[in-house]
Formats: sequence, structure tokens, C-alpha cells
Amino acid sequence: SAVISQKPSRDICQRGTSLTIQCQVDSQVTMMFWYRQQPGQSLTLIATANQGSEATYESGFVIDKFPISRPNLTFSTLTVSNMSPEDSSIYLCSVEGSRNEQFFGPGTRLTVL
Amino acid sequence: GNSVTQMEGPVTLSEEAFLTINCTYTATGYPSLFWYVQYPGEGLQLLLKATKADDKGSNKGFEATYRKETTSFHLEKGSVQVSDSAVYFCALWGAKGQNFVFGPGTRLSVLP
Repeated sequence: SAVISQKPSRDICQRGTSLTIQCQVDSQVTMMFWYRQQPGQSLTLIATANQGSEATYESGFVIDKFPISRPNLTFSTLTVSNMSPEDSSIYLCSVEGSRNEQFFGPGTRLTVL
Repeated sequence: GNSVTQMEGPVTLSEEAFLTINCTYTATGYPSLFWYVQYPGEGLQLLLKATKADDKGSNKGFEATYRKETTSFHLEKGSVQVSDSAVYFCALWGAKGQNFVFGPGTRLSVLP
């Protein structure tokens, strides 16, 4: 299984600012995924990030709001831009394992005031 | 499209009670099925999985059997502990190129 770390683990931010979340994996992976988990809710896929290409966004998520970088096969960032209180969520990155499972990072708990 | 339905929580049990959390799915073909667990303040951990009909996934005393005829993947444990208190997510993955689909989650509280 992959070991995934995320930074920061939590943050409290002001409305209108932006936060960049980092995701580091201990092995090279082709695909990385970013999810949002709103309070008390399940996971919603934001986008899929492949190294060397533009991220693929799911319906309801746009690049201007959630820009993603994938500079190499072990690292990705997600930026939450121009934040509002509605963006308060847990943001999780994940990678696909060798046997079709997904492994998740510990999450970043974001509170927007 | 693919979907996952779970029993609504919260579920509250006494220690050593029997646990069942129901999960049913809708999918074309033969998806892989998963249970993930999220302990308080943590990310999701893969608990168990099954990739074909009649497979049984098991881990840490939890079991789930892939039932194609009833499109179900119910999670069971014979004797729960306080440390099992968490949110449990049923999930499926249809095929290469498709996204994971998660159920809404079921919160379990185990009382001593």
C-alpha cells in the first residue's frame, strides 16, 4: 500500500484568501485524485491529476476555483481559491493501488471564516 | 450511472454486540466492492474488498461477501469494540477509467 502525507493537516482561513494543499506519496503513481468531504457528508471527487497533463475536473468543479498541479509522479497540490465559508471541508488526496483499490491521505481540515 | 446505498446511521451498539451495516449497489458489469473506515479526525482507510461475486473480504474481524444476486456487500462483525467507533463507507469501482463511487457513510458508536 502507498503511504500518503498531506500538508497542512488543518487550517483556518479568512474569506477571500487562497490555500494550497500539498500531497506527497512514497512511490511513483500515475493517477492522483482530490476529494472534498463536506461536514457529515460522503466524499465527492473534485478532479483527477495525471503527471504532465491538465487535471480532469468533475461536474461542478472548475480549474479557476481549484487549480491543481502535478509536477512529478509523487507529488500534487490543490489550491482552494477565493475561499468562502462554503469551502469549509476536509480535502483528501488519494492514489490508485496496484489492485484497483484507492489509498487516502490523512486529509486537510479547512475552516473558512 | 453507478451508485451505492448504505443504511442510515447513526448506529449505536454496546460492546460485544453483533454489527451489520447494509450496503447495496447499482452498477453495470462486475464492479469491485470496498469498505473504508474513517476514525475520528483521520482520513479513510481501506478495511476490506472483494473483486468478484461470492468473494468474501475480511480484516480485523470484519467481513463482507459480494452477493451478485442481491447486489449487496453488507459489512458484519461478530463482536464490536469501543475502538470500532468510526464512520464506515461502502464503495465501488466499476472499471478502468471510471471513478470510485462512495456511499453516504454510516456512523457507528460503540458504548462500553
